[in-house]
Amino acid sequence: DTEVTQTPKHLVMGMTNKKSLKCEQHMGHRAMYWYKQKAKKPPELMFVYSYEKLSINESVPSRFSPECPNSSLLNLHLHALQPEDSALYLCASSQDPGIPGELFFGEGSRLTVL
Amino acid sequence: DAKTTQPPSMDCAEGRAANLPCNHSTISGNEYVYWYRQIHSQGPQYIIHGLKNNETNEMASLIITEDRKSSTLILPHATLRDTAVYYCIVRAPTGTASKLTFGTGTRLQVTL
Repeated sequence: DTEVTQTPKHLVMGMTNKKSLKCEQHMGHRAMYWYKQKAKKPPELMFVYSYEKLSINESVPSRFSPECPNSSLLNLHLHALQPEDSALYLCASSQDPGIPGELFFGEGSRLTVL
Repeated sequence: DAKTTQPPSMDCAEGRAANLPCNHSTISGNEYVYWYRQIHSQGPQYIIHGLKNNETNEMASLIITEDRKSSTLILPHATLRDTAVYYCIVRAPTGTASKLTFGTGTRLQVTL
């Protein structure tokens, strides 16, 4: 299994809603990542988890709250988002956080904030 | 991580080789060169990476100049399905979690 699975594929939420994005991998990878991608722009790194601990936060607003309950699962909790937060949210994983190697990306969750 | 420069767009005829250049003149000795691509509305896909030597896999070849200041990704027989944005990224091993930072990439259009 070389897949990173993201759910839901599409999400529409109001600015007062609380929702979560989920990411799962069963490759035994110990690093997991959240990226945000706006239309026609490259992906931008948001968070990196290394061995289930948050190791990089790219100054992301607190309305985005990541969580890594175990080595296979990564969540992104969303609360009080703004319309400008509408984007494709990509999850990725890699085998060893410190050694350069392949990042496996999911297909993304497309978020629309009304 | 070193910055990379890529042309914004390129065209290639189907069946021909696509040669995508990348400049990384400030690369450090321990930084690897990575290539990813992103087909429309999909997640990025790893293609290949290398440090000094040329690399080849089932998808592509990576040619790194001797001074390591530039590289070229070669898709030997481009098909319509290779139409995508191609990202050249430079990244160093850190011993801890490190970033993979995407630049603006090259939009490759493969045509009949």
